[in-house]
Amino acid sequence: QKEVEQNSGPLSVPEGAIASLNCTYSDRGSQSFFWYRQYSGKSPELIMFIYSNGDKEDGRFTAQLNKASQYVSLLIRDSQPSDSATYLCAVGYSNYQLIWGAGTKLIIKP
Amino acid sequence: KAGVTQTPRYLIKTRGQQVTLSCSPISGHRSVSWYQQTPGQGLQFLFEYFSETQRNKGNFPGRFSGRQFSNSRSEMNVSTLELGDSALYLCASSLEGGTEQYFGPGTRLTVT
Repeated sequence: QKEVEQNSGPLSVPEGAIASLNCTYSDRGSQSFFWYRQYSGKSPELIMFIYSNGDKEDGRFTAQLNKASQYVSLLIRDSQPSDSATYLCAVGYSNYQLIWGAGTKLIIKP
Repeated sequence: KAGVTQTPRYLIKTRGQQVTLSCSPISGHRSVSWYQQTPGQGLQFLFEYFSETQRNKGNFPGRFSGRQFSNSRSEMNVSTLELGDSALYLCASSLEGGTEQYFGPGTRLTVT
């Protein structure tokens, strides 16, 4: 059974620091990896996707994928209070389905 | 490009009634997925449609059904509503499924 696990948090990080969010997945057949941000009462918003091993950077966000260890991480540099949200990890498979983690709640403290 | 749209945005129904929710995907996207989200919970996958065919299905009772039209617009229907069906229902579209999904604003359903 395909599973995606995230620490539910909350993860509390001081403003200006680096927030590190982690996600592990169970099935080695996974092909694509996504990070979404969801503010309370709103729908999820795609912030990063990564397909290959290594790092992918976009502004203050860096996604890191390690297929051998079956984990994907999201780093947020220079964290801002507006980054406070729930971050959802999703893993895509060849059957066209995304499997979702339950999300990590991130709190950035001013 | 216009984003994913969902109608209605809010709905109040009585237990036992049925409801139909609508989703219009991003132009060119052929895959539409539906999710249920309750307070404090993650996304619970309902089903995914591609080219008018249900390609994947989650673990929900048969009261939950959906369909997709030739223009990729999708509807989901919930019959015999229960109090536990109160949730945010989200629709997401992608080019072909399994790739990045883009979400609509959701329909907030309250069952009384």
